[in-house]
Formats: sequence, structure tokens, C-alpha cells
Amino acid sequence: AQSVTQPDIHITVSEGASLELRCNYSYGATPYLFWYVQSPGQGLQLLLKYFSGDTLVQGIKGFEAEFKRSQSSFNLRKPSVHWSDAAEYFCAVLSGGYNKLIFGAGTRLAVHP
Amino acid sequence: DTAVSQTPKYLVTQMGNDKSIKCEQNLGHDTMYWYKQDSKKFLKIMFSYNNKELIINETVPNRFSPKSPDKAHLNLHINSLELGDSAVYFCASSQELGSLAGGMTQYFGPGTRLLVL
Repeated sequence: AQSVTQPDIHITVSEGASLELRCNYSYGATPYLFWYVQSPGQGLQLLLKYFSGDTLVQGIKGFEAEFKRSQSSFNLRKPSVHWSDAAEYFCAVLSGGYNKLIFGAGTRLAVHP
Repeated sequence: DTAVSQTPKYLVTQMGNDKSIKCEQNLGHDTMYWYKQDSKKFLKIMFSYNNKELIINETVPNRFSPKSPDKAHLNLHINSLELGDSAVYFCASSQELGSLAGGMTQYFGPGTRLLVL
């Protein structure tokens, strides 16, 4: 069965530091992968997505993610974190022919000034 | 212009009541979804409709009944509310089922925070 694992439940970084959020997936075929962000009390905003082609994808707000098939990973990165990046981050894989999104448990990011 | 909107944003109600949540999208998408986010922030799909036809029903209790009057709307009616129904319910939409990859991207509404007392 398809699944997504986000090993880090909670991460704290200092403002201006670099960030990497981990995501591992389990999927038989070529995965369609997504990162969403949820700010406190808000909905889910799409950060970026990977379908095929270049394994390094750029997203909004200065985020990027790299698809590594050999490691079944799709880690999210940002070179310099801003205080406004504090939020919950969800990795997801699209499952099957009916467009069902399978989400990871999320990683809560806290940013220290 | 709000792409995917939900009403109400907050809903506080007593156990046993019946309530509805409405969702509308103005993106011209064919497929709409309901997801539930529990108290631990875990997100799970409940239903999906494509062109007003139910295509995903993820073992959700019969008390939950989605209805899609047209492609732009997907409502969720919940009968006999229970404490465990307290959660955030998200509506989402995507362009077209089985379309090119870009059309499968799902766009989410702001969520409806349901609290059952």
C-alpha cells in the first residue's frame, strides 16, 4: 500500500538558517509527489510538486525539493528560513487512478528569532 | 478571488445534531474532494466526486453524506454528530480525473473547524 513517512514530527531552526524537511514514500510506480504548507488556523497551500523530468523542483516562497528514486525520498529545502515560515508541512503522494492524496503525518516547523 | 471556499469556517454544535458544510470552487475543475484532519493533524480523504459522480468513498460512516448539485459545489451533510467527528474538514478540487499530471494537482479550501460538544 502506498504510504508517506515524515520522520521529524517537530523541527526548530533559527531565522536565517537553512532547512531540510524529510519525506519518504512507498509507491510501486512513478510517484506524483507534493509538499503543502499549513499556517496556524489556515488551509493547505501547495508549495511545489513533482511529476517527472528534472528531479529538483522549485516552488513558491523560496522552497525547493529533490526527488531521489533510489532513496524513495522527496525532501524539502530552503536556504534561509524566515520567521513567517513557521507552519506545519505535509508531504503527499498521489495514489491510484482516482487522484487520492496520501499524506504524511506532517512536520511542525518552529523558527527562533 | 477565492478559488476554493468553504462555509462555515467554524461550527460548534451539540452531539446528536445534524449539520452541513458547503464547498464551492470557481476554478472550473471537474473533481472535488473532502478530507478530514484530526486532532493530531493527520489528513485522510473521505470522498471524491467527478462530474457530480461519487468515485471515492473511504469507509466513512453512513452518517456522512456528500452531495454534489453541480461540478462547482460539493457539500457534506453529517447526521447525528458524535464527539469523534470534531475535526477540521477540508474541501479540495482538481482539474480532471486521469488528466495529464498537472491536472491532478489538488487545491484546498480554508477548512471548516467542527467542534462537537
